[in-house]
Amino acid sequence: GAGVSQSPSNKVTEKGKDVELRCDPISGHTALYWYRQSLGQGLEFLIYFQGNSAPDKSGLPSDRFSAERTGGSVSTLTIQRTQQEDSAVYLCASSSHGGQFPGNTIYFGEGSWLTVV
Amino acid sequence: GNSVTQMEGPVTLSEEAFLTINCTYTATGYPSLFWYVQYPGEGLQLLLKATKADDKGSNKGFEATYRKETTSFHLEKGSVQVSDSAVYFCALKGGVRDDKIIFGKGTRLHILP
Repeated sequence: GAGVSQSPSNKVTEKGKDVELRCDPISGHTALYWYRQSLGQGLEFLIYFQGNSAPDKSGLPSDRFSAERTGGSVSTLTIQRTQQEDSAVYLCASSSHGGQFPGNTIYFGEGSWLTVV
Repeated sequence: GNSVTQMEGPVTLSEEAFLTINCTYTATGYPSLFWYVQYPGEGLQLLLKATKADDKGSNKGFEATYRKETTSFHLEKGSVQVSDSAVYFCALKGGVRDDKIIFGKGTRLHILP
């Protein structure tokens, strides 16, 4: 597609429910990133994919968070048993290459706004 | 580990004022440095970048020079406009084997007409 597409754009869920957030990267981009932006905070790195593998999961805040990527394209971020502190904007980004291109630009989607009530 | 520190906002300036937003970093190896901007109601977008020491990135009248000796990448603009009002993020990407991009907390900029 023309840009990074994320869905849903807004999600309100009850505490304790599971949610799935979807990211469709720019066509042909092999690298995919998930970040979280909480109100008044910066961007918090969650996980990075190169192709279908995730060499860096260090940012996932707890075992309630997981992500997968299939076919080297679409990625899903799943949050189980949501808590109020999970409320944030979840941003997905993609780039054409990974670490071997140091100046490689990453392109962001518009985010999925998650509110846990 | 790698980290980025940028000046806290909000920063409020009058139109045509000179802008500096400070950014310093800690990294091993030879990082690449970026400034991203988030305009109201829009997604993050790359403003400029520099991939090696002494490089200057520039775009839309903004400039930043990669200073290895001071580990800094300060953002500057000679004459700001109301349309520059946004949140600015300094970011770092580590060396060849490091794919993670680390962002600062962001600096909100308000430009008054």
